[in-house]
Amino acid sequence: ETGVTQTPRHLVMGMTNKKSLKCEQHLGHNAMYWYKQSAKKPLELMFVYNFKEQTENNSVPSRFSPECPNSSHLFLHLHTLQPEDSALYLCASSHDPPALGLRSYEQYFGPGTRLTVT
Amino acid sequence: AQSVTQLGSHVSVSEGALVLLRCNYSSSVPPYLFWYVQYPNQGLQLLLKYTSAATLVKGINGFEAEFKKSETSFHLTKPSAHMSDAAEYFCAVITNTDKLIFGTGTRLQVFP
Repeated sequence: ETGVTQTPRHLVMGMTNKKSLKCEQHLGHNAMYWYKQSAKKPLELMFVYNFKEQTENNSVPSRFSPECPNSSHLFLHLHTLQPEDSALYLCASSHDPPALGLRSYEQYFGPGTRLTVT
Repeated sequence: AQSVTQLGSHVSVSEGALVLLRCNYSSSVPPYLFWYVQYPNQGLQLLLKYTSAATLVKGINGFEAEFKKSETSFHLTKPSAHMSDAAEYFCAVITNTDKLIFGTGTRLQVFP
């Protein structure tokens, strides 16, 4: 496996279900991100983890719960979602910008999980 | 606060024609700017980035972008479009708190 992988690629769930999205990166990065991509809206940053510690929570509803057990894996646990949560959820990783002193770091994206809430 | 604006949510060109995708930025500090491409059913892939070195930046797949401070622009161009260039393109800027802020995207269609 190379790069950033995400599973599942597609997920349909009811509003009362609980599911989890998984992201894994094989790039040796220590920062990982969750983004939400909805139609006709800019990508929305949801969560940021640096060295397994959450450093950003962009006012995301509590029905989305991230987990980062190590710097290679990132999960997004979902429960009691709403139809408006249907979107493409993208995971990304990068080197930790402050550690490198760079603001020009690149983020590498996974292919995303297409989520449909019924 | 830093932001980017992409003019035109859809651009259509004929195969072999010039591609021009527009991006204007707003930044109170020297900006670091990016162009990403998203092919159908895939994640975003970095095309090129500007990091205050050369103002003309060359990227992958024959794309390039020119940073123009006087116009606060970072437009993406390709001299000759190919069918495989059909995708959605996102301009992005890094904020002074190290967040990557994306534009709303421009969908490029290429006609034979």
